[in-house]
Amino acid sequence: AQRVTQPEKLLSVFKGAPVELKCNYSYSGSPELFWYVQYSRQRLQLLLRHISRESIKGFTADLNKGETSFHLKKPFAQEEDSAMYYCALNGCRGNNRLAFGKGNQVVVIP
Amino acid sequence: SAVISQKPSRDICQRGTSLTIQCQVDSQVTMMFWYRQQPGQSLTLIATANQGSEATYESGFVIDKFPISRPNLTFSTLTVSNMSPEDSSIYLCSVMDWDAETQYFGPGTRLLVL
Repeated sequence: AQRVTQPEKLLSVFKGAPVELKCNYSYSGSPELFWYVQYSRQRLQLLLRHISRESIKGFTADLNKGETSFHLKKPFAQEEDSAMYYCALNGCRGNNRLAFGKGNQVVVIP
Repeated sequence: SAVISQKPSRDICQRGTSLTIQCQVDSQVTMMFWYRQQPGQSLTLIATANQGSEATYESGFVIDKFPISRPNLTFSTLTVSNMSPEDSSIYLCSVMDWDAETQYFGPGTRLLVL
């Protein structure tokens, strides 16, 4: 079974401080991991995926298969980073059925 | 990226009634999905909408409660039948972009059942 855990529901950080959102997953095979973001009054959108290995809006995430983690990091938080962040997993390539974590509410304090 | 619209954006319904939610995409897509996000919860996949055949439902969801149609590659509907307050949720349509291997989400339909 696929399961995604995001332990912290709410994270408040000061502007300029580092941000780290934890994501752990449970899946026996080789998963595909994603981070989705939902800004206030906007739709859910893809932030980044582990396959692309790129930095989006200053965010990076590294898949650690040993620790079954895909933590999201940004060295210097900006006010516009305030949003809900969801970690998601696709375990079965080809069917694209995403399993989501419960999400993290990030509040960046000016 | 695909542009997705949903109708209605929100509704308040009485117990025992049904609501049909529409999802329209501005381009042909192979895969369309319906998710539910209950208050304080994460997104849960209800079903995959298959064009020309019956939808594929996830565990815990059945066709009688959530009938789905997908008459073509740009449109799908989800009906929430015989509603109860437990069906109060945000219902989201998503589509698969095969070029980018990315799922795009619609704006969601916020449903409140009284």
